[in-house]
Amino acid sequence: KQEVTQIPAALSVPEGENLVLNCSFTDSAIYNLQWFRQDPGKGLTSLLLIQSSQREQTSGRLNASLDKSSGRSTLYIAASQPGDSATYLCAVRGGNNRLAFGKGNQVVVIP
Amino acid sequence: DTGVSQNPRHKITKRGQNVTFRCDPISEHNRLYWYRQTLGQGPEFLTYFQNEAQLEKSRLLSDRFSAERPKGSFSTLEIQRTEQGDSAMYLCASRPDRQNTGELFFGEGSRLTVL
Repeated sequence: KQEVTQIPAALSVPEGENLVLNCSFTDSAIYNLQWFRQDPGKGLTSLLLIQSSQREQTSGRLNASLDKSSGRSTLYIAASQPGDSATYLCAVRGGNNRLAFGKGNQVVVIP
Repeated sequence: DTGVSQNPRHKITKRGQNVTFRCDPISEHNRLYWYRQTLGQGPEFLTYFQNEAQLEKSRLLSDRFSAERPKGSFSTLEIQRTEQGDSAMYLCASRPDRQNTGELFFGEGSRLTVL
């Protein structure tokens, strides 16, 4: 069974600092990895999708890397803003057609 | 493209009542998923459809839960004889029917509170 772990569970950073969020998974046989953002009481917004053959994906201030062999992904958010405050979820898709999620990184950006 | 739509957004019910949630996926997305999320946890897989066929069900989906997608478009998730442990956010997601590389798009969720 795929296990996804996100560290740290929660963090606070001052505005302008770069954010580094870590995700690890136990089974490297994945098709892709997806990072989501979730605001309190809301659904999930897809941020980045990395295919298993890719090493990284970028969108604006966001960059996600994938090291499939070691079972790790990192989400970087450059120059954080208060609007980046949210929970960030990492999910991996394996051969069973379902996404396995971590518990999330809860981020607070302090103005 | 209006995104994945879920209704109702919030439902408060008494223990023992039945509730039904509806999900309208993105048009032409053949694959539809239901997940459940409790406070402080990541979403957990419940069930998955390809068109109208329910292809997979999690062990989390007890016999009080039933999901349908009768015409391969919208889907419903019904919970019978609700229990307090059913209180959670129920999330629907969809993606195109390609190889397993497609991005999954989620709705805003339906929050259930069982009193």
